[in-house]
Amino acid sequence: GENVEQHPSTLSVQEGDSAVIKCTYSDSASNYFPWYKQELGKRPQLIIDIRSNVGEKKDQRIAVTLNKTAKHFSLHITETQPEDSAVYFCAASIYSGAGSYQLTFGKGTKLSVIP
Amino acid sequence: DTEVTQTPKHLVMGMTNKKSLKCEQHMGHRAMYWYKQKAKKPPELMFVYSYEKLSINESVPSRFSPECPNSSLLNLHLHALQPEDSALYLCASSRGLAVTDTQYFGPGTRLTVL
Repeated sequence: GENVEQHPSTLSVQEGDSAVIKCTYSDSASNYFPWYKQELGKRPQLIIDIRSNVGEKKDQRIAVTLNKTAKHFSLHITETQPEDSAVYFCAASIYSGAGSYQLTFGKGTKLSVIP
Repeated sequence: DTEVTQTPKHLVMGMTNKKSLKCEQHMGHRAMYWYKQKAKKPPELMFVYSYEKLSINESVPSRFSPECPNSSLLNLHLHALQPEDSALYLCASSRGLAVTDTQYFGPGTRLTVL
């Protein structure tokens, strides 16, 4: 099965409303959870990340929450603006064998902010 | 310099061609990555280099051959590709291989195999 599940796959919100994207992971040893934003035709860019010893992190209009017990984490965008429209990928550190970890990405959420 | 650069931006090649993709970073990062991204899909890890040595090869076909000539440069040599190999190829780098080391992506090379 998938190591990182992301929902929803598409999300449309009115400008000024909030958007929430949720991810779950399977490896209880995962300890790092970044979120990337990818605009059409551009590179993925890190927008926020959270480590397993923190429950919540905020950066202006963007926040991420982590529930280690339930193995899920969420991205919250408040006061959305048209320039927030993009595909958002969550990721989690997944054990890849031989004592090493690598990032596994969720399938992405296409966020559309309607002016 | 705080960016990862990739060349070329676009590449069209036939199935019998040999071509190379180039990635460069001058942030002093010691880990570099190749990812493949198909349309509307997440990046898929192909290779990881750590201190110029191949660390991870995610069972990638031999028609893709990575090379890390020095700590700033990463190449991906392509030979006898198939049309299904058409995708965006992303390079990334991070300070080290600790999973909490942020990965920074380049703009990608859009590859089309005819």
